[in-house]
Amino acid sequence: DQQVKQNSPSLSVQEGRISILNCDYTNSMFDYFLWYKKYPAEGPTFLISISSIKDKNEDGRFTVFLNKSAKHLSLHIVPSQPGDSAVYFCAAPSGGYNKLIFGAGTRLAVHP
Amino acid sequence: KAGVTQTPRYLIKTRGQQVTLSCSPISGHRSVSWYQQTPGQGLQFLFEYFSETQRNKGNFPGRFSGRQFSNSRSEMNVSTLELGDSALYLCASSLRGRDEKLFFGSGTQLSVL
Repeated sequence: DQQVKQNSPSLSVQEGRISILNCDYTNSMFDYFLWYKKYPAEGPTFLISISSIKDKNEDGRFTVFLNKSAKHLSLHIVPSQPGDSAVYFCAAPSGGYNKLIFGAGTRLAVHP
Repeated sequence: KAGVTQTPRYLIKTRGQQVTLSCSPISGHRSVSWYQQTPGQGLQFLFEYFSETQRNKGNFPGRFSGRQFSNSRSEMNVSTLELGDSALYLCASSLRGRDEKLFFGSGTQLSVL
C-alpha cells in the first residue's frame, strides 16, 4: 500500500517557467512533509518541508502547498532553472525515528 | 563539516554471497538510518540506529541486518544475496532521529549477478 504517491514519473519545463510537482498521501495521520532533490550519483538533499498546521511554506524559489482535505501537496519552483533538473521526492515521517515514507519520485527536466 | 560518507560506492556480488556496507555519519550525528532505492520504488526504509541500538525497522527480511558502533559509524549486512537485492543503498544521519531532516550519503550501488 503506497501511502505517499507521486503519480507523474517525469515533467519537462522550459527555463524561466513554473514547475509544479505533485504528491498525494493516504494516511491522514501524517502531520509533516518533506521534499528532497536527488541528482544522479548523489544522495537526496533536503529541499523544503511543511507542517500540517500550515498550508504554505516558502524558501526562495521553492514553495510547498498543503491541502489537507484533499491529502495533496505540491512543490512550486519559480522560475525554473536548468540546475533544477533532478528527481524530486516527497516524503512523510511514519512510525518514528527517521522512518520516512517516500514517493516514487518525479524526474524534472528544465530545458533552455 | 564533512558529509555522510558511504563505502564502497559500487559493489558487484553473485547470488548467495553476503555483503557489508559502511556508513560514517556527520560528526555529532548520533542517528543513522538506511534506505534501499530501486528504480520506480522510491526509497524504502530499512532500519535506524541510535547510540548502538536499533530503534526502528522496516519490512525487510532477516537477511538484512545492521549495527552501529560507539563512534556512530554504522554497517549494514545482507546475507544470501538475491537478484532483487540489486539497488542503491543510502545511509542518512541526523542529530536525534526524530522529526528532523536527514542528511544522505551518496550511496552504495549494489549489483547482484
